Amino acid sequence: KAGVTQTPRYLIKTRGQQVTLSCSPISGHRSVSWYQQTPGQGLQFLFEYFSETQRNKGNFPGRFSGRQFSNSRSEMNVSTLELGDSALYLCASSLAYQANEAFFGQGTRLTVV
Amino acid sequence: AQSVTQPDIHITVSEGASLELRCNYSYGATPYLFWYVQSPGQGLQLLLKYFSGDTLVQGIKGFEAEFKRSQSSFNLRKPSVHWSDAAEYFCAAGGVTGGGNKLTFGTGTQLKVEL
Repeated sequence: KAGVTQTPRYLIKTRGQQVTLSCSPISGHRSVSWYQQTPGQGLQFLFEYFSETQRNKGNFPGRFSGRQFSNSRSEMNVSTLELGDSALYLCASSLAYQANEAFFGQGTRLTVV
Repeated sequence: AQSVTQPDIHITVSEGASLELRCNYSYGATPYLFWYVQSPGQGLQLLLKYFSGDTLVQGIKGFEAEFKRSQSSFNLRKPSVHWSDAAEYFCAAGGVTGGGNKLTFGTGTQLKVEL
């Protein structure tokens, strides 16, 4: 069974640009959560999608957004990039909402210059 | 506010020695508790989880953790550390009603293993 797939693995963007990251959950899993990992702030929850609807949201500005497709694949978008957005973005896949077990992808390393 | 605390930022142990990584949580009710491990540049791998029942839980790679309600703790242990265990370890909590699969993470403990 394939694990959680995140693409791309690495990205370099310029301040002010926007970026889209992709996450394909484990087959059969319907919930996708996103986390930002930085040395200063650690692992922080961004949002969770289940059945194409955002169910929970962390404390991030509106520049961070996401969506989920009918096949459960999810994308997150960051607009007007800032240097502080440089981070490892991790996607987690769960069987259902409140499944209480999350499986993580390898992440996308975003560098903003 | 819900929080998870890992008091030790770095720990160094000799190969073959025992290991204990500390984790404390602050939640309104007992959350579900998890330990994850992260190797450099990689994602998080689930080591073990506690939902309810037996307070000593076994995980992968020879790890175990003990839940102590009275101390709000969920410490990770391994009897004999291998050099390949060097990594960063994260304690996490979740399972709050209405919170979906959201996890709150501790700041992590970096484990170094001396040969």
